[in-house]
Amino acid sequence: DIQMTQSPSSLYASVGDRVAITCRASQTISTYLNWYQQKPGKAPKLLIYAASSLQSGVPSRFSGSGSVTDFTLTISSLQPEDFATYYCQQSYGNPYTFGQGTKLEIK
Amino acid sequence: QLRLQESGPGLVRPSETLSLTCTVSGGSINSSGYYWAWIRQPPGKGLEWIASIYYSGSTYYNPSLKSRVTISVDTSKNQFSLRLNSVTAADTAVYYCVRPLSDYHTTFDYWGQGTLVTVSS
Repeated sequence: DIQMTQSPSSLYASVGDRVAITCRASQTISTYLNWYQQKPGKAPKLLIYAASSLQSGVPSRFSGSGSVTDFTLTISSLQPEDFATYYCQQSYGNPYTFGQGTKLEIK
Repeated sequence: QLRLQESGPGLVRPSETLSLTCTVSGGSINSSGYYWAWIRQPPGKGLEWIASIYYSGSTYYNPSLKSRVTISVDTSKNQFSLRLNSVTAADTAVYYCVRPLSDYHTTFDYWGQGTLVTVSS
């Protein structure tokens, strides 16, 4: 199985901050990497697919980058509604595995 | 607007079979190019992809669960289903039914609200 490791596991930030969350794959996955946002009690929401493509309706302050094994989700200016848990997921090989999550909390 | 709604028992006894159904509304499960999937999340933990199916019946499974899982589709009812047998407490989770993107069938776009299934005697 391809292991996905996110860092940090938790992150404290303030409204207006620029934040970055990283995701590392245990083997090459090209750009088969997706990012999701999950709020408590809710289903995950797709933010970024294919490493850098912004899903329709997602604010442009979210961006994704990276390839091969190392990827980054960047939020350019945090808004109050962005405090949530973020997951990366590889869509390269079965089983399609997720990272352990990064909880983004208000400082 | 596409909607997915999970249904099924919220409590299952150990060693028995978990059965869930996802009802699709606002779109056809027959839509060409779209797969349908199940993903689960144990309480307070991360996400695990379980299985996917195409409307034609083509399936693929997470190898770690393959021996216990069956995913199926009923196009006449616009539903797809999950069966997981020989459950244990480790199968306690919120189960989501999901529709991936059409061109990226392992990128999960539309999600149901999720249903909590507890395995306990």
